[in-house]
Amino acid sequence: EDQVTQSPEALRLQEGESSSLNCSYTVSGLRGLFWYRQDPGKGPEFLFTLYSAGEEKEKERLKATLTKKESFLHITAPKPEDSATYLCAAFTGGGNKLTFGTGTQLKVEL
Amino acid sequence: DTAVSQTPKYLVTQMGNDKSIKCEQNLGHDTMYWYKQDSKKFLKIMFSYNNKELIINETVPNRFSPKSPDKAHLNLHINSLELGDSAVYFCASSQDDGGGKLFFGSGTQLSVL
Repeated sequence: EDQVTQSPEALRLQEGESSSLNCSYTVSGLRGLFWYRQDPGKGPEFLFTLYSAGEEKEKERLKATLTKKESFLHITAPKPEDSATYLCAAFTGGGNKLTFGTGTQLKVEL
Repeated sequence: DTAVSQTPKYLVTQMGNDKSIKCEQNLGHDTMYWYKQDSKKFLKIMFSYNNKELIINETVPNRFSPKSPDKAHLNLHINSLELGDSAVYFCASSQDDGGGKLFFGSGTQLSVL
């Protein structure tokens, strides 16, 4: 069975304190690794797709990387508005099926 | 203009009742989904429809029945609600070649008392 695990479950950072979130996956036939951001009371919002090991994508203070077994979301000099739950998901095709991890709840404080 | 909209936002009901959640997307996508998010934030697919045809039906009780009157709408009807059905239900849509890039609605928080 496909499995996606995220760590840590929760992370508290001071503004400007860089860190990384981890997403490890065990799936059959990975076709893409997705990162989403979810704010309280809202649906997940797409951030990145990574397709092959070694690939990197960046958006503002976020950078996502991918290896054969895991993905990292690096947050550089975070701001309070980066506070959210970050979800990763493995796409294995077969009807556009995404297997989500349980997320990392990030809180950035002043 | 909201891309994926679902109603209601909150739904509080008694055990045994029947309820429906409606979803509409104005993105022109061919594929729509229902996801369930539990109290631990775990998001799990329930159903997916492609152009009104059921594609994915995960191990969901028969009490849950999706209905797609056209490719822009996917409704979820739940019969004989149980306490364990309490969760947040998300509708989503994607292009056929979206490869997992989903656009989510804002969710319906269902509380069964």
